[in-house]
This record gives sequence, C-alpha cells and structure tokens, in this order.
Amino acid sequence: EVQLVESGGGLVQPGRSLKLSCLASGFTFSNYGMNWIRQAPGKGLEWVASISSSSSYIYYADTVKGRFTISRDNAKNTLYLQMTSLRSEDTALYYCARRAALDYWGQGVMVTVSS
Amino acid sequence: DIQMTQSPSFLSASVGDRVTLSCKASQNINKYLAWYQQKLGEAPKLLIYNANSLQTGIPSRFSGSGSGTDFTLTISSLQPEDVATYFCLQHNSWPNTFGAGTKLELK
Repeated sequence: EVQLVESGGGLVQPGRSLKLSCLASGFTFSNYGMNWIRQAPGKGLEWVASISSSSSYIYYADTVKGRFTISRDNAKNTLYLQMTSLRSEDTALYYCARRAALDYWGQGVMVTVSS
Repeated sequence: DIQMTQSPSFLSASVGDRVTLSCKASQNINKYLAWYQQKLGEAPKLLIYNANSLQTGIPSRFSGSGSGTDFTLTISSLQPEDVATYFCLQHNSWPNTFGAGTKLELK
C-alpha cells in the first residue's frame, strides 16, 4: 500500500525557517517524481514544487522560488521541503504527492506563520 | 502561466442526477489534465488522469473527457458520498496549475 506521511510542521514566526519531510513507503520511491502542494485554510490547492526521481529536474512556483528548496534522499525514501524567509501567506496545509498526476497524497502537515 | 477556469463554482444536484463539471485551460495542455475529489477534512483523491483515464479503485460513474483546452468531468448518477469539492490540474507545462474548484452539494 502506498503511504506518504508528512512531518515537521508547526507554528513559526515570520522570517524564520522550517523543514518539512515526507516519508514514503509501499512503492519504489527512487522511481518516481514527487511534489509539494499546499492549501491555505478554506482555500484551493496551490502547486509548490516538483522534483524528478533522480533530482535532475526541479521546479518551483513563483510564489516560493528563492525561498523554498525541494530535495529528496532516495536511500531514506524521504522527500523534503526547506522553507526559509517564511511569510504569513505561506500559512497552509502542506501535502506531498507522487508523480506529475499526483496519484497518491499524504494527509498533510500544517504550517502556521505568525508572530 | 496557464490559467485553469472551473465552472460552475457551486453546484447543487439530486441523488441520481447526471452531473457535469467543466475545466477550461487558457492554452493548449494536450491531455495532461487530472481531476481530484476532496471531501471535507481529507486530502484530495485522484479520480481521472490524462483527461479520460479512470484511476484504479474509482467508481465507473466517474468519467472524464476533452483535450486541448476544454475538459469535462461527468458523474453519471450522483451518490450521497460524492458531496465534495472537485479540482482540476494541468501538468502539461510548468508551473502546474489548479482550477479554483467546484463545490458539489446535494439538493
């Protein structure tokens, strides 16, 4: 069974940093591209970043480019999102999802940016 | 960036109704369109990929059609458990973009 479990969220002050993790199981992690998507409270979905299976290709939304870094450790079956210079508008539920079509999603981890 | 426009924003329908949701892209996205169902408090679930391919385990009352810029998700006979918000996603070109969603309620 494919499982994606996010962790690392919490309350953080504006301008600070936070690193999210997504532990994958039930499939060969190193064979799949992965993604981060976020959803602000009561709002729609926003694609944040994507990384190819071997980390050769990485893409970001303009809203996070230069502040967020997506990475992966295929030996640990883990996807990461390093978030710096956090803003109040980054407050959201952050999901990791597999493949370009986002065929499996984690349950999400909440990030709240507030002083 | 490619804009994805979903319509309607809200839809109220009765059990057994045939329901059609629309998603229009601001430019050609070929077949790279996916549909998701999100129930309250849950993560989104993939229903349809590549515009018309049914994801494993999804009931056959769900179907997708379209290519290029105009796409449709159809529920052939609405069930109570279909109450949810439905989103489309284009992944033809970066940045990937979602539609704003259609909230489906029971009449």
